Amino acid sequence: AQSVTQLGSHVSVSEGALVLLRCNYSSSVPPYLFWYVQYPNQGLQLLLKYTSAATLVKGINGFEAEFKKSETSFHLTKPSAHMSDAAEYFCAVSRPSGNTPLVFGKGTRLSVIA
Amino acid sequence: DTGVSQDPRHKITKRGQNVTFRCDPISEHNRLYWYRQTLGQGPEFLTYFQNEAQLEKSRLLSDRFSAERPKGSFSTLEIQRTEQGDSAMYLCASSFISGAGASDEQFFGPGTRLTVL
Repeated sequence: AQSVTQLGSHVSVSEGALVLLRCNYSSSVPPYLFWYVQYPNQGLQLLLKYTSAATLVKGINGFEAEFKKSETSFHLTKPSAHMSDAAEYFCAVSRPSGNTPLVFGKGTRLSVIA
Repeated sequence: DTGVSQDPRHKITKRGQNVTFRCDPISEHNRLYWYRQTLGQGPEFLTYFQNEAQLEKSRLLSDRFSAERPKGSFSTLEIQRTEQGDSAMYLCASSFISGAGASDEQFFGPGTRLTVL
């Protein structure tokens, strides 16, 4: 069964610093990969998705992620953190066949310090 | 269209009572998913529909849970004889899949937070 591991349940960065949220997946076949963000009392919003078109994926709000098959990783980065980036971030994997149930990691809470 | 909506947003009930949640997907979306999210965890898949057909159910979906999408539009999730362990956020998501290829983006609603006392 597919699984997703997010290293670090809580990450704290200073405003303007690099954001790095780690995600590793277990799959024998490169899947579709996603990063979602969840603000308090809200649903999940898609940040970006990998669907094999390009290994470096750019998303909304200045976020990007790089798919590395050899490392089975899909880490999320942003060069400069803003206070508004404080939220819960989830990495998820789908089966390669298309719309199917997502398997989520446990999430990483990002705090941004002024 | 304003996105996926869920009703109610919050529900408090006593153990043993039945509850029903509703999800209205984005109007042109033919797939609808239910997930459950507990504190400190990511969402976990429960079940999903394509149009009115229920295509898959997770082992998490015990026989106390039932979901329907009678006309291929809105969906309901019912929990019978609620237990304290059912306390969670129940998330609905929808997407569109066409014959020419799958769109793989699921749009999530705000969720229904259930508290079982």
